[in-house]
Amino acid sequence: EAQVTQNPRYLITVTGKKLTVTCSQNMNHEYMSWYRQDPGLGLRQIYYSMNVEVTDKGDVPEGYKVSRKEKRNFPLILESPSPNQTSLYFCASSLWGQGHEKLFFGSGTQLSVL
Amino acid sequence: SQQGEEDPQALSIQEGENATMNCSYKTSINNLQWYRQNSGRGLVHLILIRSNEREKHSGRLRVTLDTSKKSSSLLITASRAADTASYFCATDAEETSGSRLTFGEGTQLTVNP
Repeated sequence: EAQVTQNPRYLITVTGKKLTVTCSQNMNHEYMSWYRQDPGLGLRQIYYSMNVEVTDKGDVPEGYKVSRKEKRNFPLILESPSPNQTSLYFCASSLWGQGHEKLFFGSGTQLSVL
Repeated sequence: SQQGEEDPQALSIQEGENATMNCSYKTSINNLQWYRQNSGRGLVHLILIRSNEREKHSGRLRVTLDTSKKSSSLLITASRAADTASYFCATDAEETSGSRLTFGEGTQLTVNP
């Protein structure tokens, strides 16, 4: 089944404790992206990647890191989480640039930073 | 800048009625897409309309695009309780072509049985 898999689904952590949210897709998509969703603000892009070893900042990259060492994986890293990073996070992938720009989303990761 | 602002923010209708949601945006686009989100879950793509298209249909969905007014509408006909969800428009802007979709804040649709 074609899908984007995010883990974990729920995560509670404390300020400053490094964490990684994993994202994997099995559709051979070049394009992958991370979004955060907050009430009243919609979805905002954090980082995106057009292909392996190619990443770039979105609208709200501060406090986040990403890597794209393999085509299928695009982990989101919070080196020193802070309470303002409490949010619902989504990973998405696409065949962007080949006339198929629709995004496939993961199920989301609800992060709480205490 | 905010692209893709939906209107209304919330809509409550009875089963069988039609639901219309609107989206306005600010810059020139390559395409506009509509997504659906069930409470707290991942978004699901519904329909894509390109800048040179004016109307598109998919099942009970009808999307229109007016590039002169920078607006789009999503019509769901003969709504069902299962259509209850949040609906988002997303734009692929010419200026950021190939890098992102910009989402609005969504319309919360409630269909009462």
